[in-house]
Amino acid sequence: DGGITQSPKYLFRKEGQNVTLSCEQNLNHDAMYWYRQDPGQGLRLIYYSQIVNDFQKGDIAEGYSVSREKKESFPLTVTSAQKNPTAFYLCATTLTRRSNQPQHFGDGTRLSIL
Amino acid sequence: AQTVTQSQPEMSVQEAETVTLSCTYDTSESDYYLFWYKQPPSRQMILVIRQEAYKQQNATENRFSVNFQKAAKSFSLKISDSQLGDAAMYFCAYRSASWGSSNTGKLIFGQGTTLQVKP
Repeated sequence: DGGITQSPKYLFRKEGQNVTLSCEQNLNHDAMYWYRQDPGQGLRLIYYSQIVNDFQKGDIAEGYSVSREKKESFPLTVTSAQKNPTAFYLCATTLTRRSNQPQHFGDGTRLSIL
Repeated sequence: AQTVTQSQPEMSVQEAETVTLSCTYDTSESDYYLFWYKQPPSRQMILVIRQEAYKQQNATENRFSVNFQKAAKSFSLKISDSQLGDAAMYFCAYRSASWGSSNTGKLIFGQGTTLQVKP
Protein backbone atom coordinates (compact mmCIF):
# COMPACT_ATOMS: atom_id res chain seq x y z
CA ASP A 1 0.00 0.00 0.00
CA GLY A 2 1.16 3.53 -0.72
CA GLY A 3 1.85 5.70 2.27
CA ILE A 4 4.17 7.51 4.60
CA THR A 5 6.02 5.64 7.32
CA GLN A 6 7.44 7.46 10.31
CA SER A 7 9.63 5.72 12.83
CA PRO A 8 9.99 5.28 15.66
CA LYS A 9 6.56 5.99 17.11
CA TYR A 10 8.10 7.05 20.44
CA LEU A 11 11.60 8.38 21.00
CA PHE A 12 13.46 9.52 24.08
CA ARG A 13 16.42 11.84 24.06
CA LYS A 14 19.08 12.31 26.67
CA GLU A 15 20.72 15.66 27.35
CA GLY A 16 23.33 16.53 24.74
CA GLN A 17 22.24 13.75 22.41
CA ASN A 18 21.27 14.02 18.75
CA VAL A 19 18.38 11.86 17.60
CA THR A 20 17.07 11.13 14.12
CA LEU A 21 13.44 10.70 13.12
CA SER A 22 12.77 8.70 10.00
CA CYS A 23 10.26 9.51 7.27
CA GLU A 24 9.87 7.22 4.24
CA GLN A 25 7.26 7.49 1.50
CA ASN A 26 6.29 5.37 -1.50
CA LEU A 27 3.75 7.78 -2.94
CA ASN A 28 6.25 9.11 -5.47
CA HIS A 29 5.64 12.61 -4.14
CA ASP A 30 8.22 15.28 -4.85
CA ALA A 31 7.81 17.52 -1.84
CA MET A 32 8.32 16.50 1.77
CA TYR A 33 7.80 18.47 4.98
CA TRP A 34 8.51 18.23 8.68
CA TYR A 35 6.11 19.82 11.16
CA ARG A 36 6.25 20.16 14.90
CA GLN A 37 3.10 20.07 17.02
CA ASP A 38 3.02 21.30 20.61
CA PRO A 39 0.02 20.87 22.94
CA GLY A 40 -2.73 23.36 22.23
CA GLN A 41 -1.02 24.63 19.12
CA GLY A 42 -1.24 24.03 15.44
CA LEU A 43 1.54 22.55 13.35
CA ARG A 44 4.62 24.62 12.62
CA LEU A 45 6.97 23.99 9.70
CA ILE A 46 10.54 22.95 10.51
CA TYR A 47 12.05 22.06 7.12
CA TYR A 48 10.84 21.22 3.65
CA SER A 49 12.26 19.76 0.46
CA GLN A 50 10.90 20.03 -3.07
CA ILE A 51 13.49 17.85 -4.82
CA VAL A 52 16.32 15.50 -4.00
CA ASN A 53 19.47 17.12 -2.63
CA ASP A 54 17.65 20.36 -1.89
CA PHE A 55 15.89 21.53 1.23
CA GLN A 56 14.90 24.80 2.87
CA LYS A 57 14.38 26.06 6.39
CA GLY A 58 10.87 26.54 7.62
CA ASP A 59 9.63 28.76 10.41
CA ILE A 60 11.33 26.99 13.34
CA ALA A 61 14.47 25.35 11.89
CA GLU A 62 16.90 26.22 14.70
CA GLY A 63 18.21 23.10 16.42
CA TYR A 64 17.15 20.78 13.59
CA SER A 65 18.81 19.41 10.47
CA VAL A 66 17.62 17.33 7.51
CA SER A 67 18.88 15.57 4.41
CA ARG A 68 17.22 14.50 1.16
CA GLU A 69 19.51 12.00 -0.55
CA LYS A 70 16.66 9.95 -1.96
CA LYS A 71 13.21 10.93 -3.17
CA GLU A 72 11.62 8.48 -0.75
CA SER A 73 13.40 9.58 2.40
CA PHE A 74 13.56 12.80 4.43
CA PRO A 75 15.08 12.17 7.88
CA LEU A 76 15.00 14.84 10.58
CA THR A 77 17.76 15.15 13.17
CA VAL A 78 16.98 16.89 16.42
CA THR A 79 20.30 18.20 17.64
CA SER A 80 21.47 19.04 21.14
CA ALA A 81 21.04 22.70 20.19
CA GLN A 82 17.27 22.23 20.30
CA LYS A 83 16.64 22.98 23.97
CA ASN A 84 12.97 22.13 24.02
CA PRO A 85 12.55 19.13 21.73
CA THR A 86 9.56 17.54 23.48
CA ALA A 87 6.79 17.56 20.90
CA PHE A 88 4.92 15.52 18.34
CA TYR A 89 6.61 15.48 14.92
CA LEU A 90 4.73 14.93 11.70
CA CYS A 91 6.11 14.27 8.26
CA ALA A 92 4.03 15.17 5.21
CA THR A 93 4.32 14.85 1.44
CA THR A 94 2.62 16.29 -1.60
CA LEU A 95 2.86 16.31 -5.37
CA THR A 96 4.31 19.51 -6.71
CA ARG A 97 3.06 19.01 -10.22
CA ARG A 98 -0.54 19.41 -9.15
CA SER A 99 -0.65 22.17 -6.58
CA ASN A 100 -4.26 21.63 -5.57
CA GLN A 101 -3.34 18.31 -4.02
CA PRO A 102 -3.46 18.14 -0.24
CA GLN A 103 -0.60 17.10 1.93
CA HIS A 104 -0.56 13.53 3.17
CA PHE A 105 0.71 12.89 6.67
CA GLY A 106 2.53 10.09 8.43
CA ASP A 107 1.41 8.83 11.84
CA GLY A 108 3.97 10.92 13.71
CA THR A 109 6.75 10.48 16.24
CA ARG A 110 6.46 11.59 19.83
CA LEU A 111 9.79 12.80 21.18
CA SER A 112 10.42 13.24 24.88
CA ILE A 113 13.41 14.19 27.02
CA LEU A 114 14.71 11.65 29.54
CA ALA B 1 2.71 36.68 5.72
CA GLN B 2 -0.42 34.61 5.84
CA THR B 3 -2.09 33.72 9.12
CA VAL B 4 -4.93 31.41 10.09
CA THR B 5 -7.04 31.89 13.20
CA GLN B 6 -9.41 29.48 14.89
CA SER B 7 -11.08 31.36 17.71
CA GLN B 8 -12.88 28.42 19.30
CA PRO B 9 -10.46 26.25 21.32
CA GLU B 10 -13.27 23.83 22.24
CA MET B 11 -16.73 23.03 20.94
CA SER B 12 -19.28 20.40 21.87
CA VAL B 13 -22.27 18.98 20.02
CA GLN B 14 -24.95 16.46 20.75
CA GLU B 15 -24.87 13.33 18.66
CA ALA B 16 -26.97 13.70 15.46
CA GLU B 17 -26.93 17.50 15.76
CA THR B 18 -25.10 20.03 13.58
CA VAL B 19 -22.06 22.03 14.59
CA THR B 20 -20.06 24.76 12.85
CA LEU B 21 -16.36 25.38 13.43
CA SER B 22 -15.00 28.81 12.59
CA CYS B 23 -11.83 29.78 10.76
CA THR B 24 -10.58 33.12 9.51
CA TYR B 25 -7.42 33.82 7.58
CA ASP B 26 -5.40 36.74 6.37
CA THR B 27 -3.68 36.90 3.01
CA SER B 28 -2.93 39.33 0.22
CA GLU B 29 -3.00 36.55 -2.38
CA SER B 30 -5.95 35.98 -4.65
CA ASP B 31 -5.35 32.32 -5.43
CA TYR B 32 -4.97 29.78 -2.68
CA TYR B 33 -6.39 26.63 -1.16
CA LEU B 34 -8.05 26.06 2.18
CA PHE B 35 -8.27 22.76 4.02
CA TRP B 36 -9.85 21.26 7.08
CA TYR B 37 -7.92 18.44 8.71
CA LYS B 38 -9.15 16.18 11.49
CA GLN B 39 -6.81 14.83 14.17
CA PRO B 40 -8.41 12.12 16.33
CA PRO B 41 -6.78 10.86 19.53
CA SER B 42 -4.60 8.58 17.41
CA ARG B 43 -2.89 11.83 16.24
CA GLN B 44 -3.26 10.97 12.55
CA MET B 45 -3.92 13.99 10.34
CA ILE B 46 -6.87 13.20 8.11
CA LEU B 47 -8.04 15.47 5.31
CA VAL B 48 -11.71 16.33 5.74
CA ILE B 49 -12.39 18.79 2.95
CA ARG B 50 -10.66 21.32 0.69
CA GLN B 51 -11.70 24.47 -1.12
CA GLU B 52 -10.09 26.24 -4.05
CA ALA B 53 -10.31 30.01 -3.66
CA TYR B 54 -11.24 30.52 -7.31
CA LYS B 55 -14.35 28.40 -6.89
CA GLN B 56 -17.45 30.19 -5.66
CA GLN B 57 -19.28 26.97 -4.89
CA ASN B 58 -18.80 25.70 -1.37
CA ALA B 59 -17.17 22.29 -1.10
CA THR B 60 -19.10 19.37 0.39
CA GLU B 61 -18.04 15.87 1.40
CA ASN B 62 -20.92 13.78 2.69
CA ARG B 63 -21.80 15.21 6.13
CA PHE B 64 -19.11 17.88 5.93
CA SER B 65 -19.53 21.18 4.16
CA VAL B 66 -17.86 24.56 4.21
CA ASN B 67 -19.05 28.14 4.10
CA PHE B 68 -16.36 29.96 2.16
CA GLN B 69 -16.62 33.74 2.24
CA LYS B 70 -13.66 35.02 0.25
CA ALA B 71 -14.25 38.71 0.81
CA ALA B 72 -14.59 38.18 4.55
CA LYS B 73 -11.68 35.71 4.56
CA SER B 74 -13.78 33.20 6.43
CA PHE B 75 -13.83 29.42 6.01
CA SER B 76 -16.13 27.63 8.44
CA LEU B 77 -16.75 23.88 8.61
CA LYS B 78 -20.23 22.49 9.17
CA ILE B 79 -20.65 18.95 10.40
CA SER B 80 -24.17 17.58 10.02
CA ASP B 81 -25.62 14.58 11.83
CA SER B 82 -22.63 14.50 14.19
CA GLN B 83 -21.31 11.08 15.12
CA LEU B 84 -19.20 9.92 18.04
CA GLY B 85 -16.37 9.27 15.62
CA ASP B 86 -16.29 12.95 14.70
CA ALA B 87 -14.77 13.76 18.09
CA ALA B 88 -11.30 15.09 17.34
CA MET B 89 -9.21 18.21 16.99
CA TYR B 90 -9.94 20.05 13.77
CA PHE B 91 -7.40 22.24 12.03
CA CYS B 92 -8.00 24.83 9.38
CA ALA B 93 -5.07 25.29 6.99
CA TYR B 94 -4.06 27.64 4.19
CA ARG B 95 -1.79 27.02 1.23
CA SER B 96 -0.73 29.35 -1.53
CA ALA B 97 -1.65 28.21 -5.04
CA SER B 98 1.64 29.33 -6.55
CA TRP B 99 4.87 27.33 -6.47
CA GLY B 100 8.28 28.90 -6.23
CA SER B 101 11.04 29.77 -3.86
CA SER B 102 8.71 31.51 -1.43
CA ASN B 103 5.61 29.39 -1.90
CA THR B 104 6.48 25.76 -1.64
CA GLY B 105 3.25 24.08 -0.80
CA LYS B 106 3.66 24.48 2.92
CA LEU B 107 0.53 24.56 4.99
CA ILE B 108 -0.19 27.33 7.47
CA PHE B 109 -2.30 26.00 10.31
CA GLY B 110 -4.68 27.51 12.80
CA GLN B 111 -4.43 26.61 16.48
CA GLY B 112 -7.11 23.95 16.26
CA THR B 113 -10.58 23.37 17.71
CA THR B 114 -11.28 20.36 19.90
CA LEU B 115 -14.72 18.95 19.15
CA GLN B 116 -16.52 16.86 21.75
CA VAL B 117 -19.52 14.79 20.66
CA LYS B 118 -21.97 13.93 23.43
CA PRO B 119 -24.05 10.73 23.16
